[in-house]
Amino acid sequence: DAKTTQPTSMDCAEGRAANLPCNHSTISGNEYVYWYRQIHSQGPQYIIHGLKNNETNEMASLIITEDRKSSTLILPHATLRDTAVYYCIVRVAGTGGFKTIFGAGTRLFVKA
Amino acid sequence: GAVVSQHPSRVICKSGTSVKIECRSLDFQATTMFWYRQFPKQSLMLMATSNEGSKATYEQGVEKDKFLINHASLTLSTLTVTSAHPEDSSFYICSAPPGTTNEKLFFGSGTQLSVL
Repeated sequence: DAKTTQPTSMDCAEGRAANLPCNHSTISGNEYVYWYRQIHSQGPQYIIHGLKNNETNEMASLIITEDRKSSTLILPHATLRDTAVYYCIVRVAGTGGFKTIFGAGTRLFVKA
Repeated sequence: GAVVSQHPSRVICKSGTSVKIECRSLDFQATTMFWYRQFPKQSLMLMATSNEGSKATYEQGVEKDKFLINHASLTLSTLTVTSAHPEDSSFYICSAPPGTTNEKLFFGSGTQLSVL
């Protein structure tokens, strides 16, 4: 089972920041938080990942709380093309290594 | 960045036939690849972990004789859906990590399988 919980859906106005929350209360000290998104009928796309420090790249920023039990993905200026399902993932240990298990994700609608 | 190529992107087949889907890592070697299945309006479900040079590891409830996985080289994994039935119609996606323990996954573009 996925180790994260996210809201089912969110709306955001075009040009505004989209803040997508994620809870991962059972995360272990050495586990990373990964974010991916999936646009309809395509393979998921990696966005960002982090351990405990806030991270920023050309796509987004990731804010992780000090206790690491939750995080927020920030798309600073959302566009219509950012409409997608966003997945927050903490990998699950399995036989022979880690597995990336997807939860239900958050469906983000960016509106004009 | 690293690229994972998946082929074909779409396939339609008759019930009872077998379909092979290829997943290639184009600019890196992948000792491990992952196969997912996705039904409409649902999330991705991990089917199996493909291991180069050894048997694949299947998730609970996934029939290994139905979904044959071969990972014969460091850049190629194949998923064969044997004796396909309409209920096997789904979006199949492969992914691979480029190497280090905490690296992200790169995903193929997916294969839409329709079994008539």
